[in-house]
Amino acid sequence: DAGVTQSPTHLIKTRGQQVTLRCSPISGHKSVSWYQQVLGQGPQFIFQYYEKEERGRGNFPDRFSARQFPNYSSELNVNALLLGDSALYLCASTALITPEQYFGPGTRLTVT
Amino acid sequence: GENVEQHPSTLSVQEGDSAVIKCTYSDSASNYFPWYKQELGKGPQLIIDIRSNVGEKKDQRIAVTLNKTAKHFSLHITETQPEDSAVYFCATPPPGNTGKLIFGQGTTLQVKP
Repeated sequence: DAGVTQSPTHLIKTRGQQVTLRCSPISGHKSVSWYQQVLGQGPQFIFQYYEKEERGRGNFPDRFSARQFPNYSSELNVNALLLGDSALYLCASTALITPEQYFGPGTRLTVT
Repeated sequence: GENVEQHPSTLSVQEGDSAVIKCTYSDSASNYFPWYKQELGKGPQLIIDIRSNVGEKKDQRIAVTLNKTAKHFSLHITETQPEDSAVYFCATPPPGNTGKLIFGQGTTLQVKP
């Protein structure tokens, strides 16, 4: 079975630009959570989406938004990029009937 | 809110020795405690987890113990091998919210051959 997939693998953007990151959950998983991991730190929760609705939001500005599609895949959008947005963005999927979260390989975003 | 403290931040052991990483959480209602292994350039991999109704769980060379009274849980790796070298994270969700994990700061484990 395929695990959580994310695209693209790497991305380089300039300050002020916008970026869209994509995630496909494990087959059968209906919930997707997004995390930001800055170098040397643990992942920080950004959003959870379940059944196409936002179910939770971390302490991130409104420049961060996300959505979930009918096939349960998800996109994370970040507007007006700042240098501090440079990080590894991780997507995790869960079946919710059990609490295990499984992470994808991440998208490495570099803002210059 | 929920807070997770993880120690040590770095750990260096000789191949074959044991390694122990400890995490302390703040909310006594927490009931799920996973451990993740993250290798360079990869996403975190769930390696073992424990629920609050169990005190210990083993899977081959790794084990997790939970002390609910003291609000801490630990990862134990026995007979360490060089491929165990990685960053390890503990985590727990806020009670009632399984879609969000609060992570510890991470422990960089180096296993020297």
